[in-house]
Amino acid sequence: DTEVTQTPKHLVMGMTNKKSLKCEQHMGHRAMYWYKQKAKKPPELMFVYSYEKLSINESVPSRFSPECPNSSLLNLHLHALQPEDSALYLCASSQDASGNTIYFGEGSWLTVV
Amino acid sequence: GEDVEQSLFLSVREGDSSVINCTYTDSSSTYLYWYKQEPGAGLQLLTYIFSNMDMKQDQRLTVLLNKKDKHLSLRIADTQTGDSAIYFCAETSTRGGYNKLIFGAGTRLAVHP
Repeated sequence: DTEVTQTPKHLVMGMTNKKSLKCEQHMGHRAMYWYKQKAKKPPELMFVYSYEKLSINESVPSRFSPECPNSSLLNLHLHALQPEDSALYLCASSQDASGNTIYFGEGSWLTVV
Repeated sequence: GEDVEQSLFLSVREGDSSVINCTYTDSSSTYLYWYKQEPGAGLQLLTYIFSNMDMKQDQRLTVLLNKKDKHLSLRIADTQTGDSAIYFCAETSTRGGYNKLIFGAGTRLAVHP
């Protein structure tokens, strides 16, 4: 089983809303990632969690707030987003954060209105 | 620096072989990946190759790695309409012990009858 599950699949939110994206994996992986993918572009790394600790923040604005409640779950809390934040948000996981195969979820399509 | 380049578009006839090429810059990449993205979907890990290998074959897929030239290719034998998608080449860039995938811009494969 190489499944990373993301919810919701689609989300429309206003610029004043607070919402969260959720990601779950049961592969025993200890590294989890958030990537952002704009239309017709490749994914770009946002955050890396290793053993439930934030290891990399790629200078992401504070209106995106990641959280790793346990080794299987990864959340991305969204607040005061802008329309340009509309994108596909991809969660991924790997056995650990150094050089292992990375598996992606199906993504959450976010539209900010 | 980190850079992955691939051609943007490839059109093939159904039943022919497809070859998607990629060049990368980080010679320390431990793994090199091919991901497939169908419209409206997330990234599906197609195959990967460890940096000390020259070739990997998996059913219809053949990956060739030329480390000297930093060139990676994906060959799809007997290409089918279901293979139509965007194919992303990715290298791993390890920073401070943590993994970061650097993606190419993606090659859109169109399969026609």
